[in-house]
Amino acid sequence: EAGVTQFPSHSVIEKGQTVTLRCDPISGHDNLYWYRRVMGKEIKFLLHFVKESKQDESGMPNNRFLAERTGGTYSTLKVQPAELEDSGVYFCASSRDQQRAFFGQGTRLTVV
Amino acid sequence: QKEVEQDPGPLSVPEGAIVSLNCTYSNSAFQYFMWYRQYSRKGPELLMYTYSSGNKEDGRFTAQVDKSSKYISLFIRDSQPSDSATYLCAMSLPSRNNDMRFGAGTRLTVKP
Repeated sequence: EAGVTQFPSHSVIEKGQTVTLRCDPISGHDNLYWYRRVMGKEIKFLLHFVKESKQDESGMPNNRFLAERTGGTYSTLKVQPAELEDSGVYFCASSRDQQRAFFGQGTRLTVV
Repeated sequence: QKEVEQDPGPLSVPEGAIVSLNCTYSNSAFQYFMWYRQYSRKGPELLMYTYSSGNKEDGRFTAQVDKSSKYISLFIRDSQPSDSATYLCAMSLPSRNNDMRFGAGTRLTVKP
């Protein structure tokens, strides 16, 4: 069984540009989460999808971040326009039962 | 005060040693407690998952939760060089178990 996969593994963009991160959850997992870890901080929750619906987006930092999960399969997280403080590692996770989440390898975003 | 406190280490032990990793937390409402292992450039991997207080054992790993003290521990017996990684504690509320609160992670090195 394939795990959670994220693309790209690393992205370097200039301030003001747009970046789109993609996450493919484990097949059959209705729950999909986005987390991020900025430099020197703990991993923090961003949002939670159940199938294609946003269950909880209370962790989204501001309206420059847009997450979608059309069709309830893969998800994208777009940052537009990117700022320096958005640099960090963005993790996607999925679960079947909302309790045991399996993480992808993360996308390392560097905004310069 | 952070919701979850975890000593970032680094912690270095000889092979075969018993390792003790700990976290404290401030929110007494947390009910789900997890330990994740993260290798360099990889995503967190779920190691142990416990609900409420008590002990749980899985091979060389034992997780303990003491809710009265708001203290959780992970013990690794007969530590191996392959255990060298960052260990993250995480916890969540029963009503919001998608929103895991992570510790900073403890970097462990097991020397052969």
